[in-house]
Amino acid sequence: AQKVTQAQTEISVVEKEDVTLDCVYETRDTTYYLFWYKQPPSGELVFLIRRNSFDEQNEISGRYSWNFQKSTSSFNFTITASQVVDSAVYFCALDSNYQLIWGAGTKLIIKP
Amino acid sequence: DTEVTQTPKHLVMGMTNKKSLKCEQHMGHRAMYWYKQKAKKPPELMFVYSYEKLSINESVPSRFSPECPNSSLLNLHLHALQPEDSALYLCASSQAVGTADYNEQFFGPGTRLTVL
Repeated sequence: AQKVTQAQTEISVVEKEDVTLDCVYETRDTTYYLFWYKQPPSGELVFLIRRNSFDEQNEISGRYSWNFQKSTSSFNFTITASQVVDSAVYFCALDSNYQLIWGAGTKLIIKP
Repeated sequence: DTEVTQTPKHLVMGMTNKKSLKCEQHMGHRAMYWYKQKAKKPPELMFVYSYEKLSINESVPSRFSPECPNSSLLNLHLHALQPEDSALYLCASSQAVGTADYNEQFFGPGTRLTVL
């Protein structure tokens, strides 16, 4: 069965703190893709990153970084020096052929 | 142009009305999607079009009728909706379907639908 679990329903931190959003997935496929999307209050889903199952290198993009570990089936997302504009719902998703299997989402609140 | 546009942004309709949602992309993508998203939930896939043909219908009620007039345009026709159909309707496109390498989906801003 394909499944994505985001155990953190809501996280609240003060601006400039670092925060990590967890994502654990289940799949029997050997080739798969993992994604993170951001959904601000405006509603649009913004693509953040795609990672394929053969590439376990961590990725850094500005204040964002991702830690992919196949051994624990996790694909965690860290924001360093958080800012108020980072407040949003963040979804982790697993690509299964033609469709995305979504986690429940984590609502991130950054307080000024 | 790397965006997906959706109109209208907001729509309020009665249960006897007929309305349509429109989605457009000019990225040359050959796959287009409709999703429904209820508050505090992830998007739920409704339909997938591949090369202008309906390839996936996730058991969506017939009061939702998709249409793909050309490769850039996707419509969702609404008729006799129920209040529980109130949600954010998201359109997305990707280069192709079934090839994960190209399955990065670009989402539009959504249409917030309220059914009275």
